[in-house]
Amino acid sequence: KQEVTQIPAALSVPEGENLVLNCSFTDSAIYNLQWFRQDPGKGLTSLLLIQSSQREQTSGRLNASLDKSSGRSTLYIAASQPGDSATYLCAVKNAGNMLTFGGGTRLMVKP
Amino acid sequence: GAGVSQSPSNKVTEKGKDVELRCDPISGHTALYWYRQRLGQGLEFLIYFQGNSAPDKSGLPSDRFSAERTGESVSTLTIQRTQQEDSAVYLCASSLTLSSYNSPLHFGNGTRLTVT
Repeated sequence: KQEVTQIPAALSVPEGENLVLNCSFTDSAIYNLQWFRQDPGKGLTSLLLIQSSQREQTSGRLNASLDKSSGRSTLYIAASQPGDSATYLCAVKNAGNMLTFGGGTRLMVKP
Repeated sequence: GAGVSQSPSNKVTEKGKDVELRCDPISGHTALYWYRQRLGQGLEFLIYFQGNSAPDKSGLPSDRFSAERTGESVSTLTIQRTQQEDSAVYLCASSLTLSSYNSPLHFGNGTRLTVT
């Protein structure tokens, strides 16, 4: 059974800092890995999707990497802004088409 | 519509009543998922549909929970004889296809269910 863990559970940083969020998974036979953002009281917004054959994806100030063999992904946020404050979730899709989510990292960027 | 639409956005019901939650996926999306998110917790898989194939119901927590989907359109999640532990946000998501390496999941804003 796939298990997905996100560290840290919560993170508070001053505005302008670069930061890294971590996601690890136990079963490396994945189709893809997706990073989401969730604002309070809202659904999830897809940020980046990395296919199993890819190493990284970039969108603006976000960069996600994937090391499938070691079961790890990182989400790098450059020059953080207060508007980045949210919960960030990673999810992996396995061959059984099941999407398994991590518990999330709650990010607070202070002005 | 432009995104996944869920209704109602909020539902308060008395213990023991039945509730029905609705999800309108993005047009053309063949795969549809239901998840549950309890307060302060992660997402818990409930069920997914892919086209006209039999759904994967392995995540439904009890026989009080059921879901239907007509073709590739609207889905309804029904909870019978609601209990207080059913209180949660119920999230629906859709994607272009289930068996794909590069189809991202798109979520609705969820239905917040409170059982009193």
